[in-house]
Amino acid sequence: LAKTTQPISMDSYEGQEVNITCSHNNIATNDYITWYQQFPSQGPRFIIQGYKTKVTNEVASLFIPADRKSSTLSLPRVSLSDTAVYYCLVGDGRGSYIPTFGRGTSLIVHP
Amino acid sequence: DTGVSQDPRHKITKRGQNVTFRCDPISEHNRLYWYRQTLGQGPEFLTYFQNEAQLEKSRLLSDRFSAERPKGSFSTLEIQRTEQGDSAMYLCASRRLVDGETQYFGPGTRLLVL
Repeated sequence: LAKTTQPISMDSYEGQEVNITCSHNNIATNDYITWYQQFPSQGPRFIIQGYKTKVTNEVASLFIPADRKSSTLSLPRVSLSDTAVYYCLVGDGRGSYIPTFGRGTSLIVHP
Repeated sequence: DTGVSQDPRHKITKRGQNVTFRCDPISEHNRLYWYRQTLGQGPEFLTYFQNEAQLEKSRLLSDRFSAERPKGSFSTLEIQRTEQGDSAMYLCASRRLVDGETQYFGPGTRLLVL
């Protein structure tokens, strides 16, 4: 069962780029890396998923080094509305895979 | 709105009562998950279904918890003889097998046991 480690909390200011790194030393060959965002009293929301190198969508980028033992979620020019908890998960979503969220990273964006 | 709905959104009950929550996934999604989330923690996996088959239920918190997904569509999570420690947010998520780990979560049902 792949385990992830993230910082508990981060602080930033509006307009800055935020990078949140997740360690997953035991990632398996078939595992994807997926990031979710959660606001208070809401369910988590999918942000981005990747397998290797770099993935970019309209809200974030995901950087994955060649050894895939870590990944970095990059949020460009954050705003107050990006204040949330961010979770990274690893897994292939198949077979007996059980999603494990951990405590996530609480990002607070200041004015 | 992800397309996953949960009902009710809030439930207040007295200790010892039974409660049932419903989840309606996105229609073409064959996997459905239930999670529990307490304050300051990430979602904790409880069980999941692939179509109507419950493939993993060892993580259900006790034998007071049970889940069903008749006909592979909506699902229900029942908690019998509720305890104050059951107070939490109960989340449902669904996904297609081909979407890797991309899950779509509902808004959750917040349970308060008095």
